[in-house]
Amino acid sequence: NAGVTQTPKFQVLKTGQSMTLQCAQDMNHEYMSWYRQDPGMGLRLIHYSVGAGITDQGEVPNGYNVSRSTTEDFPLRLLSAAPSQTSVYFCASSYSNGVSGSEAFFGQGTRLTVV
Amino acid sequence: KQEVTQIPAALSVPEGENLVLNCSFTDSAIYNLQWFRQDPGKGLTSLLLIQSSQREQTSGRLNASLDKSSGRSTLYIAASQPGDSATYLCAVDNNAGNMLTFGGGTRLMVKP
Repeated sequence: NAGVTQTPKFQVLKTGQSMTLQCAQDMNHEYMSWYRQDPGMGLRLIHYSVGAGITDQGEVPNGYNVSRSTTEDFPLRLLSAAPSQTSVYFCASSYSNGVSGSEAFFGQGTRLTVV
Repeated sequence: KQEVTQIPAALSVPEGENLVLNCSFTDSAIYNLQWFRQDPGKGLTSLLLIQSSQREQTSGRLNASLDKSSGRSTLYIAASQPGDSATYLCAVDNNAGNMLTFGGGTRLMVKP
């Protein structure tokens, strides 16, 4: 089972460059989200989606864009990379049973360095 | 704003010891609480999910409890093994599957 797949696994960008981090899930989950993990800061929510065509901001959305055109895919776009965006990025998916939510499934992460 | 704290930040124990990891949260209006394991350089693996209406969940040597009213959860690991060495993360869900708030993690080392 593929679960949640993130590409690429590693990326080095120059300041000012743009790129898209890819995330795909094959579990037909409604909910998808992006987190960044930084030493001393833990995991923080960037953007999330409750279904195709619906996205919203999390705790640290500045400098990132998302869209969700299909249930399976939820790409994260860095518009103009900055050194402060050096981090490990995780994509997650889950579903709602209408009452309490399900466990979240995480991808293996993308380690991004901006120089 | 929900805040999640994990104590201790790091723990080193000899193999075979039983241990408890602690997680506390400030807003008790949660839908569920989840414990994850993270190995160095890897993603997060879900260990246990406790729904808000539940008091505990068990999986093998792991037992997680939840006391919503006091804003606390514990993860109990029985008979620890060197393979249990990892970072353990606690996360609470305030939006039924949407938005997780994570604690800073407990880095566990089990020595042979």
